[in-house]
Amino acid sequence: GEDVEQSLFLSVREGDSSVINCTYTDSSSTYLYWYKQEPGAGLQLLTYIFSNMDMKQDQRLTVLLNKKDKHLSLRIADTQTGDSAIYFCAERGSSNTGKLIFGQGTTLQVKP
Amino acid sequence: NAGVTQTPKFQVLKTGQSMTLQCAQDMNHEYMSWYRQDPGMGLRLIHYSVGAGITDQGEVPNGYNVSRSTTEDFPLRLLSAAPSQTSVYFCASSYILLAGDRETPYEQYFGPGTRLTVT
Repeated sequence: GEDVEQSLFLSVREGDSSVINCTYTDSSSTYLYWYKQEPGAGLQLLTYIFSNMDMKQDQRLTVLLNKKDKHLSLRIADTQTGDSAIYFCAERGSSNTGKLIFGQGTTLQVKP
Repeated sequence: NAGVTQTPKFQVLKTGQSMTLQCAQDMNHEYMSWYRQDPGMGLRLIHYSVGAGITDQGEVPNGYNVSRSTTEDFPLRLLSAAPSQTSVYFCASSYILLAGDRETPYEQYFGPGTRLTVT
């Protein structure tokens, strides 16, 4: 079945880089996503990557995709205290329904 | 556009009570879904719908009912609330993947959530 796994917690110092990792099982996934959830709020799409890409860069964000190992990572350069949030990895399921499969979420704590 | 709206924002129920969580979107999205979020468990899909009149079960459907009579609304009903249903509930919507079109990413838009406590 489809499954997405993430580590639950990451703590970094302000100014350092953060790397959040994710593994997934559905080899037919076409898109993989990173969502951000700030305290008390819903989820917002941060970035996404198509399965035929290895890397996508968007300002301070870099997404790396290793399709062979089914491994996705999100790197945040120059991490700021405002980046403290829960980050969810998600994959588009193999059906056409629109369903996304989410990981457990990684809580990023940024210390000043 | 208001996006995805949910009401109420907070709710406390007693065990055995029933209630309906409301969700509405004004983006003409075909796909709507309900998730529950529990610590360390991420988002788990309860029910989803790919259009008016069409609903299906997700990962954790027991104890919940849905219906989709219009494109805009997708209410979630708790039939007889239990403490295990204490959670934060999110509604989300998106455009649906067109047949043969696997090139277009679609974003799921989330509501602000309903925090439900069952005592």
